[in-house]
Amino acid sequence: DSGVTQTPKHLITATGQRVTLRCSPRSGDLSVYWYQQSLDQGLQFLIQYYNGEERAKGNILERFSAQQFPDLHSELNLSSLELGDSALYFCASSARTQSSYNEQFFGPGTRLTVL
Amino acid sequence: LAKTTQPISMDSYEGQEVNITCSHNNIATNDYITWYQQFPSQGPRFIIQGYKTKVTNEVASLFIPADRKSSTLSLPRVSLSDTAVYYCLVGDMGNTDKLIFGTGTRLQVFP
Repeated sequence: DSGVTQTPKHLITATGQRVTLRCSPRSGDLSVYWYQQSLDQGLQFLIQYYNGEERAKGNILERFSAQQFPDLHSELNLSSLELGDSALYFCASSARTQSSYNEQFFGPGTRLTVL
Repeated sequence: LAKTTQPISMDSYEGQEVNITCSHNNIATNDYITWYQQFPSQGPRFIIQGYKTKVTNEVASLFIPADRKSSTLSLPRVSLSDTAVYYCLVGDMGNTDKLIFGTGTRLQVFP
């Protein structure tokens, strides 16, 4: 158990809909990262937040957005869903962001299925 | 962020030592080399990290030559439970804008 929790575990929805994925980082971790992993593909970095502020952006679509709240939990919002958005979405957290040694701890993921 | 190249897949048998090599010709001075392990439908898990020479922990060893243009993850005496995807990442993990896990190396261990 990494200490990172994600809800829901599974999500099934229809095209055009909007969903929100939730992540609670390890206690004390200030950085939260979101990744997308499609079937049999590597992880694609989406976005990183540090202490409530966006720190880095990867290949995140404009239909996707995220935020980190004062209690450090984060939400990833996916809108106008398409079939191709079906994937595993992982959240990770890390304690430090200014150090070259920056181990990320991953949550169990949310499996999104768009029908 | 330095681009990495690793084999797509590898096969081994229980009890053997497995070495997975990652090429990173454009590694920068501040870059560290980090390996993660991922089981199906689970999030990746940190295995080991190093900067140069050799690093060993209870799970694996990481060998880095002097020029740092490649690295080798060594798993001693693998078991069936080591069947997973292994990712090599190279970068300054504290300041990188993009973290590229790539497709990793799929290790299959047979009995």
